[in-house]
Amino acid sequence: GAVVSQHPSWVICKSGTSVKIECRSLDFQATTMFWYRQFPKQSLMLMATSNEGSKATYEQGVEKDKFLINHASLTLSTLTVTSAHPEDSSFYICSASPDAAGVDGELFFGEGSRLTVL
Amino acid sequence: GENVEQHPSTLSVQEGDSAVIKCTYSDSASNYFPWYKQELGKRPQLIIDIRSNVGEKKDQRIAVTLNKTAKHFSLHITETQPEDSAVYFCAASLLGGGQNFVFGPGTRLSVLP
Repeated sequence: GAVVSQHPSWVICKSGTSVKIECRSLDFQATTMFWYRQFPKQSLMLMATSNEGSKATYEQGVEKDKFLINHASLTLSTLTVTSAHPEDSSFYICSASPDAAGVDGELFFGEGSRLTVL
Repeated sequence: GENVEQHPSTLSVQEGDSAVIKCTYSDSASNYFPWYKQELGKRPQLIIDIRSNVGEKKDQRIAVTLNKTAKHFSLHITETQPEDSAVYFCAASLLGGGQNFVFGPGTRLSVLP
């Protein structure tokens, strides 16, 4: 299957700093990538849809100024958590599909990035 | 919008027994229903999926059934093994509709040796 890679896997930062998480499609081009947030023992909640060359589409309740998404190339999307606070601590996962039209179905997930804000 | 419910939230079975996890969805337009397995701290991985034009799909010990009328679908794992222990998520999506997967809350399956 297709491979999606995230970096870093773990990040610990001080409150008030910004953290950037990268999501790469290694063997396919992805015009669309998805960013999820997962709290412990909870489900994946879609935060935003990242669109190559255009603005991301954010889900209701997700602050676009706090979670900056940039999808500058067909293989890379970045999520920047700005001015992070302890409540932003979570597991962030991206996903993408080689099927741009979304008719094949399967989404491939990155390894996830665990953010801890002190 | 779509809403997916999943039951039970936790499930413990003895090794060799069967496990069944059920999901319901609200949007009758949804036509793609994948199941993902997530081990602790790892990425979700697709284990089986079903489209709305079929009622059942099987892959070795894993099967999924879909009832479009009732808007529910189920995951069946037979002859469970300890390595089946994980969190399982169902999801509903509309193919070609933006790949917006709505996930269920998850089921933590424990297979006891």
